[in-house]
Amino acid sequence: QLQLQESGPGLVKPSEPLSLTCTVSGGSVSSSDYYWGWVRQPPGKGLEWIASIYYMGVTFYKPSLRSRVTISVDTSKNQFSLKLSSVTAADTAVYYCARGAAPFSRNWLDPWGQGTLVTVSS
Amino acid sequence: QSVLTQPPSVSGAPGQRVTMSCTGSSSNIGAGYDVHWYQQLPGTAPKLLIYNNNNRPSGVPDRFSGSKSGTSASLAITGLQTEDEADYYCQSYDSSLSASLFGGGTRLTLL
Repeated sequence: QLQLQESGPGLVKPSEPLSLTCTVSGGSVSSSDYYWGWVRQPPGKGLEWIASIYYMGVTFYKPSLRSRVTISVDTSKNQFSLKLSSVTAADTAVYYCARGAAPFSRNWLDPWGQGTLVTVSS
Repeated sequence: QSVLTQPPSVSGAPGQRVTMSCTGSSSNIGAGYDVHWYQQLPGTAPKLLIYNNNNRPSGVPDRFSGSKSGTSASLAITGLQTEDEADYYCQSYDSSLSASLFGGGTRLTLL
């Protein structure tokens, strides 16, 4: 059974970068059948898709975040990662990683990790 | 404001049927891209409920169904149960943005 687990700091200072890693178990990030993505949810608000990556390195980014976001995959560790630069309080959210169906235009997400809360505060 | 528009809330009594909508545009749902639905129970991660407009993953009861027409999609829940009280999100792809989109979410409240 595929499982995903997010890891990273729970507290990040304003203007600093945020880095999160998603470790995949029970399956391979090298599968040609799936994308791997990040979604966030600010406290009390809705879901926001951030970025997705295919094992060959093809990436998709939310346009409004593109300048600050980098998604990458490490097939040797069966992990994929998210980096968000110059964070502000508006980036405070629960960050989820998830597996997405291919092609990207049919990118339903299943399963999801349990999520990790990242708070931006000094 | 989300590109996919969902009503903020719907409500129904146990045993009743409710529907909730997801309205998009000609660059997403109207362009033929599939709609997916997620259920998020309080304090938990979202769970895939419906994929590719009207398909249920294994384990999802057939009380849940999806449909799509034109620039909109709908999620229907029949025989409402207390455990259905949750937030529901639609998702689709937008070709003008080359991005995945979520609706703003609909909170289902049981009366």
